Amino acid sequence: DAKTTQPNSMESNEEEPVHLPCNHSTISGTDYIHWYRQLPSQGPEYVIHGLTSNVNNRMASLAIAEDRKSSTLILHRATLRDAAVYYCILKVSNFGNEKLTFGTGTRLTIIP
Amino acid sequence: DVKVTQSSRYLVKRTGEKVFLECVQDMDHENMFWYRQDPGLGLRLIYFSYDVKMKEKGDIPEGYSVSREKKERFSLILESASTNQTSMYLCASSLPQGGFGNQPQHFGDGTRLSIL
Repeated sequence: DAKTTQPNSMESNEEEPVHLPCNHSTISGTDYIHWYRQLPSQGPEYVIHGLTSNVNNRMASLAIAEDRKSSTLILHRATLRDAAVYYCILKVSNFGNEKLTFGTGTRLTIIP
Repeated sequence: DVKVTQSSRYLVKRTGEKVFLECVQDMDHENMFWYRQDPGLGLRLIYFSYDVKMKEKGDIPEGYSVSREKKERFSLILESASTNQTSMYLCASSLPQGGFGNQPQHFGDGTRLSIL
């Protein structure tokens, strides 16, 4: 499976936008980019996914580079509840290959 | 919203015991998964199931088995618990990919299992 690279940790001030980067230079043409987050003492939570175009939902936005070798998860206005580990994952588009491969993610700290 | 419910948040068992971890989802998803999460190792897939009575080994199936008798329920079984199976266990469910990688997985809150 193609690999992703994320910073180990980031800090951001409350009520400011947060841009979480992810590099995936070996992505293949049909891999989807997924983001999950894991709050303390909880299971991972799906945030957003995309293939080529930028995507928005109620939680976040996903900006995908034109060459698809990197992407950025954008939290428009961080709150203390956004403090979590954020995982960027490539999901292969194959029949039968249903699994997610989690890396170590980015630990986001929100400063009040 | 999808709800994945794991039967226990915390569980303490003894070495050699047979341990059952239960997971139920309420969204009629075909796929169900069991992962374990350990510090520094991230989440690793133990087993998954893509239909009732069907199962596939994940990356670390040794020492575990699974059962899926009903679509909504997926059980993880530790046949003879050992201390190296002390971990956080996470269950997830999803719709089938159908050849596209666009189906999210929905996770429960985990069971923290300690084997003494």
